[in-house]
Amino acid sequence: AQKVTQAQTEISVVEKEDVTLDCVYETRDTTYYLFWYKQPPSGELVFLIRRNSFDEQNEISGRYSWNFQKSTSSFNFTITASQVVDSAVYFCALSEDSGNTPLVFGKGTRLSVIA
Amino acid sequence: DTGVSQNPRHKITKRGQNVTFRCDPISEHNRLYWYRQTLGQGPEFLTYFQNEAQLEKSRLLSDRFSAERPKGSFSTLEIQRTEQGDSAMYLCASSLLSHNEQYFGPGTRLTVT
Repeated sequence: AQKVTQAQTEISVVEKEDVTLDCVYETRDTTYYLFWYKQPPSGELVFLIRRNSFDEQNEISGRYSWNFQKSTSSFNFTITASQVVDSAVYFCALSEDSGNTPLVFGKGTRLSVIA
Repeated sequence: DTGVSQNPRHKITKRGQNVTFRCDPISEHNRLYWYRQTLGQGPEFLTYFQNEAQLEKSRLLSDRFSAERPKGSFSTLEIQRTEQGDSAMYLCASSLLSHNEQYFGPGTRLTVT
């Protein structure tokens, strides 16, 4: 069975601090995809990144970076120099096989960035 | 191109009534998914379609729930004889078969009184 664990329920940081959101997953599949989504107060889930199980390269996109480590089944997300607009709930998700299958989500981490 | 749209955005209904939600996916997206999200939880998968074919239904989807995608474009989710436990945000997402990012709509918030 697939499972995604986001152990941090809520995190609060001061603006400009760096923050890392943890994600640990479980799957028996050798081929799978990992995702991060952002859910701002407006409620609509926004796609941030997709990673397949064969690509362990870290990725950076502006202030966002992702660290994928198969050895520890983790796919962590770091925001550098956080801003108030980063305040949201962030979800990590897993999809088996081709990745075009239903997502299994973690419970999310609520990030509050204080000015 | 517009994103995924859902109607209505909010629905308040009395227990025992039937409700129907609509989802319009991004144009030409083959796959359409329905999820349910309750407060403080991540979305949970309900069912999904490839074109008009319903490929999978979650155990969460009781026989009071039915979904259709008759022409492979928009989809409807109907809940019959609503219960208070059905109160949740119902999310729709779509994707291209060749690309597996799912794009979500704004959701329909259902409140059963």
